[in-house]
Amino acid sequence: SQTIHQWPATLVQPVGSPLSLECTVEGTSNPNLYWYRQAAGRGLQLLFYSVGIGQISSEVPQNLSASRPQDRQFILSSKKLLLSDSGFYLCAWSVGFEQYFGPGTRLTVT
Amino acid sequence: TQLLEQSPQFLSIQEGENLTVYCNSSSVFSSLQWYRQEPGEGPVLLVTVVTGGEVKKLKRLTFQFGDARKDSSLHITAAQPGDTGLYLCAGVSGYALNFGKGTSLLVTP
Repeated sequence: SQTIHQWPATLVQPVGSPLSLECTVEGTSNPNLYWYRQAAGRGLQLLFYSVGIGQISSEVPQNLSASRPQDRQFILSSKKLLLSDSGFYLCAWSVGFEQYFGPGTRLTVT
Repeated sequence: TQLLEQSPQFLSIQEGENLTVYCNSSSVFSSLQWYRQEPGEGPVLLVTVVTGGEVKKLKRLTFQFGDARKDSSLHITAAQPGDTGLYLCAGVSGYALNFGKGTSLLVTP
């Protein structure tokens, strides 16, 4: 069966510090991968998606970036965090159009 | 971006009551999905509806896709405290999903 992992589960970082969130998927090959951000328990905002290694599409201009160094690894990064980057970050995978989400990372920028 | 509007935003009911939540858009979607999310966790896929007019049942949950594939509804019969959570609808658009803001449901004993 397929599983998706995200870490860390929670993170508190000061403004201006760098960020690296990691997501890995097991049990499937060549999945589409996604990063979402969710504010205040409401709707999900798509940040990035990837259909293959090294292929990244950005949906929202911001100070975040994403990379896919391996087939089942997706990384969300920032060089300098802003207060507005606080939120719940979710990674998801899909084969076809049904998406399956990881447990999320709660990021608080102070 | 194709917008999905969900209503109501918040719903608080007692155990045993029935409820319906709605997901509406001015755009046509090839398919639409419903997710349920509990606090601090990722959303979990409940159902995908594909055909206009389609009705799917998942125990006490009934999902319907509008004939024009622009809207959907979720009906819960005899709600239970375990149904508490954030219900999100999402429309398929290419590789991505467009999510509504969700309906936050609280079912009290």
